Amino acid sequence: EAGVAQSPRYKIIEKRQSVAFWCNPISGHATLYWYQQILGQGPKLLIQFQNNGVVDDSQLPKDRFSAERLKGVDSTLKIQPAKLEDSAVYLCASSLSRQGFHEQYFGPGTRLTVT
Amino acid sequence: AQTVTQSQPEMSVQEAETVTLSCTYDTSESDYYLFWYKQPPSRQMILVIRQEAYKQQNATENRFSVNFQKAAKSFSLKISDSQLGDAAMYFCAYRSLNTGNQFYFGTGTSLTVIP
Repeated sequence: EAGVAQSPRYKIIEKRQSVAFWCNPISGHATLYWYQQILGQGPKLLIQFQNNGVVDDSQLPKDRFSAERLKGVDSTLKIQPAKLEDSAVYLCASSLSRQGFHEQYFGPGTRLTVT
Repeated sequence: AQTVTQSQPEMSVQEAETVTLSCTYDTSESDYYLFWYKQPPSRQMILVIRQEAYKQQNATENRFSVNFQKAAKSFSLKISDSQLGDAAMYFCAYRSLNTGNQFYFGTGTSLTVIP
């Protein structure tokens, strides 16, 4: 079974530029999560999708961050414009459903450096 | 919002010995899930063990077990017969079962296994 795929793996941009990350979850997984992991901290959940609908985006900085999962499969996370404090690893995860006992499977992450 | 605290930034253990990682959390909810995740260097985060709050019995997975103290809001991870491959960052996580099913992660404990 293929795991969660993310691209790119690394990205370096200047502040005020835009950037987009892509995630392909495990086939059949209805729930998709985007996390931000700043160096030395635990992951922070930014947004959670159930199929193509947003379940929770309470911690997403909506003035600059956006995410979509149009067909209920792949998802993109965009930052526009980027700030220095956005430097982090962006993790995508998926699970069969939102049921609490369903395990999240994480992708390898995208390491973003904003200069 | 719920908070998860891991008070040990770093821990070390001799190979074949036992180590316990601490985690406390703050919540007013009665039902929730708790998890321990492992993040090896430059590798993907994987689930180690999970615990449903309504279950009194502590979860075990081979060499990994938890000590869940609901009243004290404590959820420690015990690793027995430590192996070199256990070296990683370990994150404690809380999942709310309320609207949004939010996840909250601690700041992590870096475990070193000494040969």
